[in-house]
Amino acid sequence: GAGVSQSPSNKVTEKGKDVELRCDPISGHTALYWYRQSLGQGLEFLIYFQGNSAPDKSGLPSDRFSAERTGGSVSTLTIQRTQQEDSAVYLCASSGVPPDTQYFGPGTRLTVL
Amino acid sequence: KNEVEQSPQNLTAQEGEFITINCSYSVGISALHWLQQHPGGGIVSLFMLSSGKKKHGRLIATINIQEKHSSLHITASHPRDSAVYICAVIPGTSYGKLTFGQGTILTVHP
Repeated sequence: GAGVSQSPSNKVTEKGKDVELRCDPISGHTALYWYRQSLGQGLEFLIYFQGNSAPDKSGLPSDRFSAERTGGSVSTLTIQRTQQEDSAVYLCASSGVPPDTQYFGPGTRLTVL
Repeated sequence: KNEVEQSPQNLTAQEGEFITINCSYSVGISALHWLQQHPGGGIVSLFMLSSGKKKHGRLIATINIQEKHSSLHITASHPRDSAVYICAVIPGTSYGKLTFGQGTILTVHP
């Protein structure tokens, strides 16, 4: 595909369950970013992958959050033991070597009941 | 105080008006993005700039690195320009991750 894709587009889960969110970046992009957009907090950085370097995890809000990027392409964001405050839109973006224009995916809307 | 401040937070205009949205930041940066988000829509990068001025159609973005300030201008505004405009900076040592302003909600009436 031409753009960044994310799946699922919507996810409703119960408090305490684990969820996995997927991001397919633009082919050839070396950098991949996860952000979160919530009503009370606006947009915030979560984690950043660049090539084979160790990821920058400085934005992850708790140890319940983790992410991996396999083969330098697809990334999965995992939230364990979800809480209601995790409800948000989770956005993935990719770019060439930073700093570069970032292309955003459509997001995954997560609702924790 | 947020590292990135936008003004105004809300802006209402009549079709055809010239619009300016301002962004001030407090950290050294390697680049600044202007992003657009339509209601219920995804985020699109309008500009990435690290100096000077860029123009695309009716949109113009400027940045003054010394003053830590950027502006987004929309000429001949149109109702389809109604969206949230977000300023985001790449702090100098972060190599890419964005720090966001709170956004400016623009409504253009016909």
